[in-house]
Amino acid sequence: NAGVTQTPKFRILKIGQSMTLQCTQDMNHNYMYWYRQDPGMGLKLIYYSVGAGITDKGEVPNGYNVSRSTTEDFPLRLELAAPSQTSVYFCASSSTGYGIQYFGAGTRLSVL
Amino acid sequence: AQTVTQSQPEMSVQEAETVTLSCTYDTSESDYYLFWYKQPPSRQMILVIRQEAYKQQNATENRFSVNFQKAAKSFSLKISDSQLGDAAMYFCAYRSAETSGSRLTFGEGTQLTVNP
Repeated sequence: NAGVTQTPKFRILKIGQSMTLQCTQDMNHNYMYWYRQDPGMGLKLIYYSVGAGITDKGEVPNGYNVSRSTTEDFPLRLELAAPSQTSVYFCASSSTGYGIQYFGAGTRLSVL
Repeated sequence: AQTVTQSQPEMSVQEAETVTLSCTYDTSESDYYLFWYKQPPSRQMILVIRQEAYKQQNATENRFSVNFQKAAKSFSLKISDSQLGDAAMYFCAYRSAETSGSRLTFGEGTQLTVNP
């Protein structure tokens, strides 16, 4: 059972570089989410999607972009990486807007 | 906006003993869900238990149970017969049931240590 798969697991970026964090789910869930977790803190929502072609901002969207061209994939794009984006990033999905969210294993990103 | 507060940054318990983790929240909504997630060192977020606000009965999952006090906006997690594998960071989270697709709002977490 794959569930929610995130790649890469770990990445180091230089300031100003760009990258895409990949997220794929095989549960046919319509709802997908991106969170970030700063050290010693809870998770905060970056962006979410309620279905293919529909995305919306969360609590901390600045510096990020998303797209949702298929039900399965929800990539998160970082443009012009900054040290403040050093964090652990989690992707999650749920079958309904009120359903349980299932999380991927996270991507640890360091921007130096 | 909703907020979730976990006032215990760290807790410890002896193996086989019982421990209670505290969580309070603030909301003006009447319909919502509350969750406890466990995050072991592997970083994986694992759902421990879920409570629906309209249900008066406290949720239970094996050794895990909650004390849900809606009027007091309190949602504590009790772990009975603690095991070494329970050691992890525990997050309390809130989710609206009045807005579809709404995010989880997390507390800052409680680091639980289980002593052998």
